[in-house]
Amino acid sequence: GQNIDQPTEMTATEGAIVQINCTYQTSGFNGLFWYQQHAGEAPTFLSYNVLDGLEEKGRFSSFLSRSKGYSYLLLKELQMKDSASYLCAPMDSNYQLIWGAGTKLIIKP
Amino acid sequence: NAGVTQTPKFRVLKTGQSMTLLCAQDMNHEYMYWYRQDPGMGLRLIHYSVGEGTTAKGEVPDGYNVSRLKKQNFLLGLESAAPSQTSVYFCASSYKESGGANTGELFFGEGSRLTVL
Repeated sequence: GQNIDQPTEMTATEGAIVQINCTYQTSGFNGLFWYQQHAGEAPTFLSYNVLDGLEEKGRFSSFLSRSKGYSYLLLKELQMKDSASYLCAPMDSNYQLIWGAGTKLIIKP
Repeated sequence: NAGVTQTPKFRVLKTGQSMTLLCAQDMNHEYMYWYRQDPGMGLRLIHYSVGEGTTAKGEVPDGYNVSRLKKQNFLLGLESAAPSQTSVYFCASSYKESGGANTGELFFGEGSRLTVL
């Protein structure tokens, strides 16, 4: 079956670095997406990895290891506005996104 | 550009009533989706469409119907609402690559919060 596993909740301090891990099992694989969702709002696209390695985009980076079925999202220089849920979503062989339940990130001053 | 627009934003229904959620996108996207999001769970795909006049079932299609008569619109219908359909519903759309595949970068509407009593 298809399965996504990511921590339910994480807490970090403003200005620090946090890494959100995601492991997945899908029927086929066509890349992995990370989305950000603030409370009460819609998800918005953050990053996409299709090949192994690190993709950097400003304060956010995303890593993928296809052989391990593993990805992480790295957030640097945390700001209060980064408090949100982060959704890991691999794309299966039918080009459909399979969504994890998300990791709620709480930033403390 | 308005992006993806959902109406209504909020609705309260009684068990057995019917209603339609409307999704409109102005980005000329081929793919459109209806998801529901419940606390502690990931987004679950209800139905989707890969183009005008086509629809397909997702993970949780029972109790819902959809139509895509125009490329820009995707309607989600509840024929006889049940309390289990209390949820936040999101519509999304995405590009189709030149090779025909879904790009996977979804653009979401603001969500429609439905309560069934």
